Amino acid sequence: AQKITQTQPGMFVQEKEAVTLDCTYDTSDPSYGLFWYKQPSSGEMIFLIYQGSYDQQNATEGRYSLNFQKARKSANLVISASQLGDSAMYFCAMSYTQGGSEKLVFGKGTKLTVNP
Amino acid sequence: DAGITQSPRHKVTETGTPVTLRCHQTENHRYMYWYRQDPGHGLRLIHYSYGVKDTDKGEVSDGYSVSRSKTEDFLLTLESATSSQTSVYFCAISDGQIDNSPLHFGNGTRLTVT
Repeated sequence: AQKITQTQPGMFVQEKEAVTLDCTYDTSDPSYGLFWYKQPSSGEMIFLIYQGSYDQQNATEGRYSLNFQKARKSANLVISASQLGDSAMYFCAMSYTQGGSEKLVFGKGTKLTVNP
Repeated sequence: DAGITQSPRHKVTETGTPVTLRCHQTENHRYMYWYRQDPGHGLRLIHYSYGVKDTDKGEVSDGYSVSRSKTEDFLLTLESATSSQTSVYFCAISDGQIDNSPLHFGNGTRLTVT
């Protein structure tokens, strides 16, 4: 069954340092997508970054990069130069196909706290 | 920001009453989704739509129904609300297949069933 695992319920980082949020996935589909979303305390869900299963290079979006290790089935999010505004819940998600329909499954999230 | 409006933003209702949540988009996107978010569970898919009048079930569809009569509107109905349906409900849209198109979310509806 398709599954996303985020093993870190909470993470702490000092402002201006880099932090890695872990995500592992389980799927038998050869084609899938991996996504990261941010949810600040205000509640909205914000799309951060996407990695396709056939992409050869790791995705990057500004201070966000996705460390994609296909053989290990991991898709860790790296945030460089952390800012106080990065404090939020972070969700990893994976697209998959079931019964001819494409769906998205989310992990349970990691709460990141950036300390000044 | 994607033009997605959820209404109401907050609702308190009693067990056994019907409830309808509305999602309205101005992006003309084909795909629309309803998720619920609960502590310890992340986001779980309730129902989704891949076009007008085309809907399908997600992983937690029991007790919920949906309708999409227009591209811009996707309604989620709790036929007879139960306390287990107390949750935050998110609508999301995408303009392509989910394997390579990110979802854009509304701001959520906090539903409390007493």
